[in-house]
Amino acid sequence: DSGVTQTPKHLITATGQRVTLRCSPRSGDLSVYWYQQSLDQGLQFLIQYYNGEERAKGNILERFSAQQFPDLHSELNLSSLELGDSALYFCASSLGPGTGAPYEQYFGPGTRLTVT
Amino acid sequence: GESVGLHLPTLSVQEGDNSIINCAYSNSASDYFIWYKQESGKGPQFIIDIRSNMDKRQGQRVTVLLNKTVKHLSLQIAATQPGDSAVYFCAYNFNKFYFGSGTKLNVKP
Repeated sequence: DSGVTQTPKHLITATGQRVTLRCSPRSGDLSVYWYQQSLDQGLQFLIQYYNGEERAKGNILERFSAQQFPDLHSELNLSSLELGDSALYFCASSLGPGTGAPYEQYFGPGTRLTVT
Repeated sequence: GESVGLHLPTLSVQEGDNSIINCAYSNSASDYFIWYKQESGKGPQFIIDIRSNMDKRQGQRVTVLLNKTVKHLSLQIAATQPGDSAVYFCAYNFNKFYFGSGTKLNVKP
């Protein structure tokens, strides 16, 4: 158990809909990262927050947005869902900002999103 | 663009043998490299990391080798066990994280 929690574990929704994925980092960690993992794309970095502020941005679509709240939990919002958005979405946390520093990331169990 | 590639998508080894998983990267300015293990149905798990100012680092049964000249990273697992069966990702951190597509390690009993 990494100490990172994600809810829900599974999510099935229709195209065009909007969903929210939730992540709680390990106790004491200030950074939260979001990743998308699909069969043909591997693990793709989406976005990182550090202590409530956006720190780094990866291949995140404009239909997706995220935020980190004062209690450090984070939410990833996916809107106007398409079939291609079906994937595993992982959240990870680390102690520090991570950028340029070797702060170990701890991954949650993931949320499996299926868009039908 | 940035890329992290893996030489072999699947590797099968006999229990007790040593495993070597390879990875090529494209950004010579990257300063930090990580290997992750992902078991079926679980999130990636940190195995070992290495900074660019090192060429070798050892952990428990694992060794990471970094060859900056040819931009190549490898993970060596000694005395591979059935519990090592998983997908292994290499990644590097240069402003953000880039991950390889993964190598599946099958350990035959």
